[in-house]
Amino acid sequence: TQLLEQSPQFLSIQEGENLTVYCNSSSVFSSLQWYRQEPGEGPVLLVTVVTGGEVKKLKRLTFQFGDARKDSSLHITAAQPGDTGLYLCAGAPLISNFGNEKLTFGTGTRLTIIP
Amino acid sequence: EPEVTQTPSHQVTQMGQEVILRCVPISNHLYFYWYRQILGQKVEFLVSFYNNEISEKSEIFDDQFSVERPDGSNFTLKIRSTKLEDSAMYFCASRLGTFSAVETQYFGPGTRLLVL
Repeated sequence: TQLLEQSPQFLSIQEGENLTVYCNSSSVFSSLQWYRQEPGEGPVLLVTVVTGGEVKKLKRLTFQFGDARKDSSLHITAAQPGDTGLYLCAGAPLISNFGNEKLTFGTGTRLTIIP
Repeated sequence: EPEVTQTPSHQVTQMGQEVILRCVPISNHLYFYWYRQILGQKVEFLVSFYNNEISEKSEIFDDQFSVERPDGSNFTLKIRSTKLEDSAMYFCASRLGTFSAVETQYFGPGTRLLVL
C-alpha cells in the first residue's frame, strides 16, 4: 500500500512570510500532483510534476519533485490571505494497469494566512 | 473551461436506503473515477472505470457499490443499502486518456452524503 504523508498537518503564518509544505513517501510515484481544496468543494489541480528533480513555478508557488520521485515540496513565497486552504498531494502509481492510475492522496496540509 | 459536474450537491438518506450519485465527466474524457472523503480524513480511491467496465476497485468498493455509464454523458455511483459509515463527500473525476500515465484527473465539486 502506497502512503503519502504531508507535513505539517496545520500551518498558520503571517501574511508576507514564506512557507514550505512537504509530501513524503517510501514509494516511488510516476507523477505527483498538488491540489488545493476549499471547504465543501472538490480538489482543484495546481500542478503535476513528473521528472525526478523537476521544479515548477506557479506565480509565488514553487513545486519540486524529489530526485527519487518519492517526495515533493510546495514552497510559497510572500504568502497572501488568498493562499489559505487545504493543500493535498496525490501520487500516481509507478506500475499500474493502463487506464487505472488511481491517485493516492496525502493527508493534507491546512494552511491559514493571517492578514 | 470544461468541468466535471456532480448532482446532487447534498443528499440525506436513511440507513438501508439506496442512493445514486451522478456525475457528468468532461465530454471527451475516457477514464472515470470515484473517490470519497470522510469528514476530516484523506481522499480515498473507490473505483476506476474505462470502456464500460471497472478497471480497478479498492477494498472499500464492496458488493453494496456499483458504477454505471448509462448513456454517453452520465457516470453514476450506486450504493444499494447505505450504512452510517458511508457518510462522506463523494468525488467523481475524469481523465482524457492518452497513452500517458501522467494525465491529470479533473475532479467534480462532490456530493455530500449523509446517512442517518
